[in-house]
Amino acid sequence: DGGITQSPKYLFRKEGQNVTLSCEQNLNHDAMYWYRQDPGQGLRLIYYSQIVNDFQKGDIAEGYSVSREKKESFPLTVTSAQKNPTAFYLCASSVQGWSNSPLHFGNGTRLTVT
Amino acid sequence: GQQLNQSPQSMFIQEGEDVSMNCTSSSIFNTWLWYKQDPGEGPVLLIALYKAGELTSNGRLTAQFGITRKDSFLNISASIPSDVGIYFCAGQLTNRDDKIIFGKGTRLHILP
Repeated sequence: DGGITQSPKYLFRKEGQNVTLSCEQNLNHDAMYWYRQDPGQGLRLIYYSQIVNDFQKGDIAEGYSVSREKKESFPLTVTSAQKNPTAFYLCASSVQGWSNSPLHFGNGTRLTVT
Repeated sequence: GQQLNQSPQSMFIQEGEDVSMNCTSSSIFNTWLWYKQDPGEGPVLLIALYKAGELTSNGRLTAQFGITRKDSFLNISASIPSDVGIYFCAGQLTNRDDKIIFGKGTRLHILP
């Protein structure tokens, strides 16, 4: 079955540590995305990539970094510079960028930083 | 930035009732999407709309792309317990490279 796999489901870190969230898709989609979800805030775009080896900042990129070395993979690093990292993180993919191409989501990673 | 106003923020209904929720904006959209998110899971696409006036059904769900292209609604008929969750609208503005924008969600509760 094709889909998007995020791992781990739950992640706990101490403040000041960087942490990397994994996202893998086998849908052969060109574009991948990272969103952050906080209660009552909806989904906010962190980074997106429309093609391998290229990515753009979303609305809340500060304190985060990404890479897109392979079509299937789009890992997100939450750095120690991110002031409020505790959140639910969602990865998504689409066939080809934003145009007429609905996003398909993974099941999320809940990150808790203490 | 652009915003989608999704309402209501939450709903408490009895099982078997019909549900209606909507999304509005001051901007014109080319695409409207409706997603459902179960607790602790990622959103799942319910219905995609690409044309003004389009009315599309998916089982007990019906969504419409408003003729002004500034709004969309989602109806759920004869609600059942598994309908509980958060429903998000999302839209894309008229430029092909415009990002998809999400509403803040409608949380549906079903009373026993």
